[in-house]
Amino acid sequence: SYELTQPPSVSVSPGQTASITCSGNKLGDKYVCWYQQKPGQSPVVVIFQDTKRPSGIPERFSGSNSGDTATLTISGTQAMDEADYYCQAWDGNTAVVFGGGTTLTVL
Amino acid sequence: QVQLQESGPGLVKPSETLSLTCTVSGGSISSYYWSWIRQPPGKGLEWIGYIYYSGSTNYNPSLKSRVAISIDTSKSQFSLRLSSVTAADTAVYYCARDISGPAAGWFDPWGQGTLVTVSS
Repeated sequence: SYELTQPPSVSVSPGQTASITCSGNKLGDKYVCWYQQKPGQSPVVVIFQDTKRPSGIPERFSGSNSGDTATLTISGTQAMDEADYYCQAWDGNTAVVFGGGTTLTVL
Repeated sequence: QVQLQESGPGLVKPSETLSLTCTVSGGSISSYYWSWIRQPPGKGLEWIGYIYYSGSTNYNPSLKSRVAISIDTSKSQFSLRLSSVTAADTAVYYCARDISGPAAGWFDPWGQGTLVTVSS
């Protein structure tokens, strides 16, 4: 079965750029989306189809996907961005796969 | 805007069947794929399966033998049944709408989630 690998944790200083990676075999051939989940809340999509940002999501969130790695980039990170982030892709047309999640700490 | 709400027992005994329903409001259940996703306490997300409004389904291979998802378009509801549960099935269960469908879809919105504990 297809697997997506994320680093367990990423730390960033306020105002700096945070990068969260998601790795999988030929991931660049698939669409990737990213979810933000704050404690006690449901996940919210912040990036879909590799690079698209839903309405209401700040412009500081951006995504890329090439080769075996997709990256979620948060520019000018704010304290409110501290959360768990999950990448998601499809294994063919039949199964959804999530990455293990990355805890972003803003300190 | 579309809202999803999970409902069902919060406690299920080992070996029994977990049953949950997701009610869709504020929009049509037609023309979309609808999924169940779970998250064990302190752990990551696991996709359980989806159902299309027409009734076609697809399940996570690791759960396929125990899972059934059904839909009632007249009630704007879809349901999850997970049989032979164990403590490992304890999780927050979310329902979600899949925008765009297989190979390209993403989940938006999600329900608030409901905690199901498997314990005697």
